[in-house]
Amino acid sequence: EAQVTQNPRYLITVTGKKLTVTCSQNMNHEYMSWYRQDPGLGLRQIYYSMNVEVTDKGDVPEGYKVSRKEKRNFPLILESPSPNQTSLYFCASRTGTFTDTQYFGPGTRLTVL
Amino acid sequence: GQQVMQIPQYQHVQEGEDFTTYCNSSTTLSNIQWYKQRPGGHPVFLIQLVKSGEVKKQKRLTFQFGEAKKNSSLHITATQTTDVGTYFCAGRMVDSWGKLQFGAGTQVVVTP
Repeated sequence: EAQVTQNPRYLITVTGKKLTVTCSQNMNHEYMSWYRQDPGLGLRQIYYSMNVEVTDKGDVPEGYKVSRKEKRNFPLILESPSPNQTSLYFCASRTGTFTDTQYFGPGTRLTVL
Repeated sequence: GQQVMQIPQYQHVQEGEDFTTYCNSSTTLSNIQWYKQRPGGHPVFLIQLVKSGEVKKQKRLTFQFGEAKKNSSLHITATQTTDVGTYFCAGRMVDSWGKLQFGAGTQVVVTP
């Protein structure tokens, strides 16, 4: 089954404790992206990657890092989480062509105390 | 700031009625996508519009892309309870095809 998976689905942590949210897709998609969703703000793009070792900032990259060492994986790293990073995070993938469907993962709900 | 604006933020509809949600961008878009997110779920891709003035239909859903490629609309006829959820538009900017800007969404509540 074609899918995007994220882990963990729920995470409660404390300020400053480094964490990684994993994202994996089994569709051989070139393009992957991370979004955060906050009430009233819709989805805001954090980082995106157009292929292995190619990443770029979205609209809200501050406080986040990403890496793309393999095509299928695109982890989101919070080196020193802060309470304002409490949010619902979605990973997504698409083939990278101009017209294509974007598939979202199930989401990771992160709470930073 | 947010370049893609979506209205209304909230829509309460009686079952069987029609409604429209609108999306406006401050800049010209390469294309626009629409997504639906059910409560507690993740966004699900509905459609993509690319051409100026394009109109696409999916059963009771009609999507339009403006002539200037700065606005779009989603019209749902004969609303059903299965239409409940939040509808998002997402615009791809002309000068940055990798970026996708989402509107804040229209939350739809349907009363039987």
